[in-house]
Amino acid sequence: GAGVSQSPSNKVTEKGKDVELRCDPISGHTALYWYRQRLGQGLEFLIYFQGNSAPDKSGLPSDRFSAERTGESVSTLTIQRTQQEDSAVYLCASSLAGRAEAFFGQGTRLTVV
Amino acid sequence: AQSVTQPDIHITVSEGASLELRCNYSYGATPYLFWYVQSPGQGLQLLLKYFSGDTLVQGIKGFEAEFKRSQSSFNLRKPSVHWSDAAEYFCAVVLTSGTYKYIFGTGTRLKVLA
Repeated sequence: GAGVSQSPSNKVTEKGKDVELRCDPISGHTALYWYRQRLGQGLEFLIYFQGNSAPDKSGLPSDRFSAERTGESVSTLTIQRTQQEDSAVYLCASSLAGRAEAFFGQGTRLTVV
Repeated sequence: AQSVTQPDIHITVSEGASLELRCNYSYGATPYLFWYVQSPGQGLQLLLKYFSGDTLVQGIKGFEAEFKRSQSSFNLRKPSVHWSDAAEYFCAVVLTSGTYKYIFGTGTRLKVLA
């Protein structure tokens, strides 16, 4: 596609439920990132995928968070047993291999009630 | 640890006035430097970037930024602000070793008075 696509754009879930957020990177981009943006705060790095290398998971805040990537395409971020503090906008970005410039999706706004 | 500081959380300027948003970083080498803008409910849009070379970089929408190595700064400027520039602005660095991981500042929210 023309840009990074994320779905859903909005998600409201009950506390304790699991959620899956999806990211479709720009075609040909081998690097993919997930970030979290809490209300009124900056972006926190969550996880980074680069080709077939082991992902950099250093930003995942707890073991309730996990992410997968199918080859060099779609990625899903899963949050298990959601908590209210998980409410945030989750942003995905992708870039070409070896290139620092990343392109961001519109984000998924997650609200845990 | 690497960090990015945007000391101004909120800035208010009048339309037509000049603007400077501050950004300082802490990193052992010169990172790649970016400014992004985020309008309400929107994703991040790249304004400009610095990788190397000329330390004054031009971006979209009339923005420019100057990299000053001695001050570890990358301040964003615009000579004349338009009402449509009201948004949140994020400075970011990308570390040049290992993962191209972005480290973002906490953002500066710009309000423009008519």
